Amino acid sequence: EAGVAQSPRYKIIEKRQSVAFWCNPISGHATLYWYQQILGQGPKLLIQFQNNGVVDDSQLPKDRFSAERLKGVDSTLKIQPAKLEDSAVYLCASSPRTGGSTGELFFGEGSRLTVL
Amino acid sequence: QQQVKQSPQSLIVQKGGISIINCAYENTAFDYFPWYQQFPGKGPALLIAIRPDVSEKKEGRFTISFNKSAKQFSLHIMDSQPGDSATYFCAASGYSTLTFGKGTMLLVSP
Repeated sequence: EAGVAQSPRYKIIEKRQSVAFWCNPISGHATLYWYQQILGQGPKLLIQFQNNGVVDDSQLPKDRFSAERLKGVDSTLKIQPAKLEDSAVYLCASSPRTGGSTGELFFGEGSRLTVL
Repeated sequence: QQQVKQSPQSLIVQKGGISIINCAYENTAFDYFPWYQQFPGKGPALLIAIRPDVSEKKEGRFTISFNKSAKQFSLHIMDSQPGDSATYFCAASGYSTLTFGKGTMLLVSP
């Protein structure tokens, strides 16, 4: 079974530029998550989708971050304009669960963003 | 507000020793407590998880101990091996959202 795919793996941009990350979850997984992991910290949830609807985006900085999951499969996370503090690894995860507590999340390898 | 507090931040254990990592949570609505293992350059992967209806769960060399009244849970790694060197995250969830601790970097010396 193929795992969660993310691209690009690495991205370096100047502050105020824009960047987009792509995620393809495990086939059939209804729930998709984007987490931000700053160096030396635990993953922090940015947004959670169930199919193509948003379940939780309370910690997404909506003035600069946006995410979509068209057709309930792939997802993109965009940052515009980027700030220095956005330097982090952006992790995508998926889960087959659609209700109740989380259960196992399957993570991709992440997209490492460096903002100069 | 940090809802899951993890300690220690880093840990060095000799090969064959026991590694112990502790976590405390605040939200009594949490009902699922996993531990994730992360190697450099990789995403976190589920190691072991427990629900609050049991006080202990063991899978091979890995054991979770859970104390509901104290709102604490811990990971014990028996007979620690150099291959266990990684960052370990505790986490907790109630309905839907998983919240992670800050992580413990474990180094098992040969």
